[in-house]
Amino acid sequence: SAVISQKPSRDICQRGTSLTIQCQVDSQVTMMFWYRQQPGQSLTLIATANQGSEATYESGFVIDKFPISRPNLTFSTLTVSNMSPEDSSIYLCSVGALANTEAFFGQGTRLTVV
Amino acid sequence: GDSVTQMEGPVTLSEEAFLTINCTYTATGYPSLFWYVQYPGEGLQLLLKATKADDKGSNKGFEATYRKETTSFHLEKGSVQVSDSAVYFCALSRMKTSYDKVIFGPGTSLSVIP
Repeated sequence: SAVISQKPSRDICQRGTSLTIQCQVDSQVTMMFWYRQQPGQSLTLIATANQGSEATYESGFVIDKFPISRPNLTFSTLTVSNMSPEDSSIYLCSVGALANTEAFFGQGTRLTVV
Repeated sequence: GDSVTQMEGPVTLSEEAFLTINCTYTATGYPSLFWYVQYPGEGLQLLLKATKADDKGSNKGFEATYRKETTSFHLEKGSVQVSDSAVYFCALSRMKTSYDKVIFGPGTSLSVIP
């Protein structure tokens, strides 16, 4: 199993500012994933963070808005830049599912932009 | 691309009623299939999983069978309780040999009334 620590757990931010979310895994993993869950919605993949290379973004998400760092095999950060109220969501990091195991998720960061 | 479709909610049931939440998927090959649950105000939890055709996942009285011929993974419970009120997500992951992303359905909100 994998234990994922994510912080902050919640934050209230002013529009136009940026927030960096940290994700720490208790074991080395090749890929980490960042998801967004907008209010009342499902989880949408933002990007895949590979150690040693640039993150791969899903359609509708861009690096300028959601820059990601992956400095080593146990840590990643997601920054939400130039925030607007539409960015208010829960952001989750994950180690994806391996055959016969489950996917592991952090507890999420509940972001409110005012 | 890969996708997951599940019945729209909200679903409201009386306690001890039978529950079915339909889920179908689109993917090449043989993905692993999951049901996740999100209780009010809490993080995402794995409810059950199945990794190959005809596998049955079960947990806490919930069951789902991986049906390759109908590309389905319907969630069932014989007698729901008020404590089962939550949002349920059907999901898939294609990875077998290394960690990979999880693709989620839109979620189905379940309310169980006494």
